[in-house]
Amino acid sequence: DGGITQSPKYLFRKEGQNVTLSCEQNLNHDAMYWYRQDPGQGLRLIYYSQIVNDFQKGDIAEGYSVSREKKESFPLTVTSAQKNPTAFYLCASSRSSGRVNTGELFFGEGSRLTVL
Amino acid sequence: ELKVEQNPLFLSMQEGKNYTIYCNYSTTSDRLYWYRQDPGKSLESLFVLLSNGAVKQEGRLMASLDTKARLSTLHITAAVHDLSATYFCAVDMPTAKKSSGDKLTFGTGTRLAVRP
Repeated sequence: DGGITQSPKYLFRKEGQNVTLSCEQNLNHDAMYWYRQDPGQGLRLIYYSQIVNDFQKGDIAEGYSVSREKKESFPLTVTSAQKNPTAFYLCASSRSSGRVNTGELFFGEGSRLTVL
Repeated sequence: ELKVEQNPLFLSMQEGKNYTIYCNYSTTSDRLYWYRQDPGKSLESLFVLLSNGAVKQEGRLMASLDTKARLSTLHITAAVHDLSATYFCAVDMPTAKKSSGDKLTFGTGTRLAVRP
């Protein structure tokens, strides 16, 4: 079955540590996204990538880094520079941009990061 | 900057009743999406609205889009407990203002609780 796999589902981190969240998709989608969700809030865009080896900052990129070395994979690193990293992180993908596609996002199950 | 507002933020409904959730956005766009999120879970796509006047229905939910008014509605008919969840609308950045690719801006969500 095609889908988006995020891991780990739960992650605990000590202050000052970097952590990397994995996101893999087998939908053959070109575009991939990382969103952050805080309790009772909407989703805020961290980074997105439309094509391999290219990515753009979203609205809250500070303290985060990404890479897109393969079409299927878009890992997110939460660095020690992120002041308040405790949140629910959602990875999503969509078909290539452009008006011919619907732009609909498909989401993974999410990774919940807690900083101790 | 594209802003997306939903109201109400919280809705407590009695089973069997009808109600409407509203999604207003600040910049011209003709692509709007509705998602459902259960507590602690990821987002599930409900509707994709791609043109002015678009109307989609699935079971007890019906979504519509009025691009001139910059408004989408999600109408709930004869609510049942299973509809209890948080509902998000998301709007696509207008093409003319995109630096690259599709990028959705989410509303803050409407938390729906259906009680017996």
